[in-house]
Amino acid sequence: DTEVTQTPKHLVMGMTNKKSLKCEQHMGHRAMYWYKQKAKKPPELMFVYSYEKLSINESVPSRFSPECPNSSLLNLHLHALQPEDSALYLCASSQPRQTGSNYGYTFGSGTRLTVV
Amino acid sequence: SQQGEEDPQALSIQEGENATMNCSYKTSINNLQWYRQNSGRGLVHLILIRSNEREKHSGRLRVTLDTSKKSSSLLITASRAADTASYFCATGLRGGADGLTFGKGTHLIIQP
Repeated sequence: DTEVTQTPKHLVMGMTNKKSLKCEQHMGHRAMYWYKQKAKKPPELMFVYSYEKLSINESVPSRFSPECPNSSLLNLHLHALQPEDSALYLCASSQPRQTGSNYGYTFGSGTRLTVV
Repeated sequence: SQQGEEDPQALSIQEGENATMNCSYKTSINNLQWYRQNSGRGLVHLILIRSNEREKHSGRLRVTLDTSKKSSSLLITASRAADTASYFCATGLRGGADGLTFGKGTHLIIQP
């Protein structure tokens, strides 16, 4: 299995809702990532998990809460979002750099989030 | 902050022509990667070039790296309509942490 699976593909939520984005990979990768991408912009790194531990939080507002239950799963919990949070949310995985890996990252197809 | 900067930001060529995109970066790197993104979809890894490599080929793709100029180029030969996409270069985070920083990207349109 060489894929990263993200669910749901599309999500519309109100500003008072709580929702979760899910990401799963079975490639044995021990680093997983959340990226946010606005239209016509490059992906922006939000969170990095290495060996199931949060290693980087790029000053993301607390209304975004990541969780890594195990080495295959990554969640992003959403609460009290704002319309400007509408974007494509991408999950990715890779082998950690400390392993000496020189392979690329594998990205999921993303969740298109609209906050109304 | 964005590490890589691509140019041009947009490129439109005829099918069959070659397309060249450039990327510049600011700090030292272990490797530089190129990704393709079709409209509204996930990114697909195309090729990785290590800092001690100067050129790498993969099918119709040719990547060069000049660490002295902190720049890389991606050449797509004999372009096809299916190559229409956005192309991003990416480098690792400062300090060697896991994670990639992406350039602004080049939007490539192949005219049939």
